[in-house]
Amino acid sequence: EVQLVESGGGLVQPGGSLRLSCAASGFTLSSYWMSWVRQAPGKGLEWVANINQDGSEKYYVDSVKGRFTISRDNAENSLYLQMNSLRAEDTAVYYCARHIAFDYWGQGTLVTVSS
Amino acid sequence: DIQMTQSPSSLSASVGDRVTITCRASQGISNYLAWFQQKPGKAPKSLIYAASSLQSGVPSKFSGSGSGTDFTLTISSLQPEDFATYYCQQYNSYPITFGPGTKVDIK
Repeated sequence: EVQLVESGGGLVQPGGSLRLSCAASGFTLSSYWMSWVRQAPGKGLEWVANINQDGSEKYYVDSVKGRFTISRDNAENSLYLQMNSLRAEDTAVYYCARHIAFDYWGQGTLVTVSS
Repeated sequence: DIQMTQSPSSLSASVGDRVTITCRASQGISNYLAWFQQKPGKAPKSLIYAASSLQSGVPSKFSGSGSGTDFTLTISSLQPEDFATYYCQQYNSYPITFGPGTKVDIK
């Protein structure tokens, strides 16, 4: 059974940092592109970043470029999102999702940026 | 960036109704269009990819059509478990973008 489990969310002050993790099981992580998608409270879905199978290609939405870094460790079956210089508008539930066409999603982890 | 719009933004329907949701892209995206269902407090669930291909395990009452800029999601006979918010998504080019969602609730 394919499972994606996010962790690492929490309350952080503006300007702070967090590292999200996504633990994958039930499939071979190294065979898939992976994405992070976020959803602000009461709002719609926003794609944040994705990464190819070996980590050599990465893409980001403009609003996080230079602040967020997506990475992966296929040996550890894990996907990561390093978030720096966090802003109030980064407050959201963050989901990891598997390509192709986002067929599997994790349950999400809540990141709250507030003083 | 490719902007995605959906109509209607919300609709009220009865069990057994046929429901159609429209998604429009601001420029052509071929068939790189997906549909998702999301219930409150839950992660999105993939329904359709490549505009008309049903994800494994998704019931055949869901269908998708369209190409280029105009797409539709149809639920042939609405059931209680289908009341949710539906999002379209284009993955033709970066940044990947979602529509604003269509909330389907009970009449």
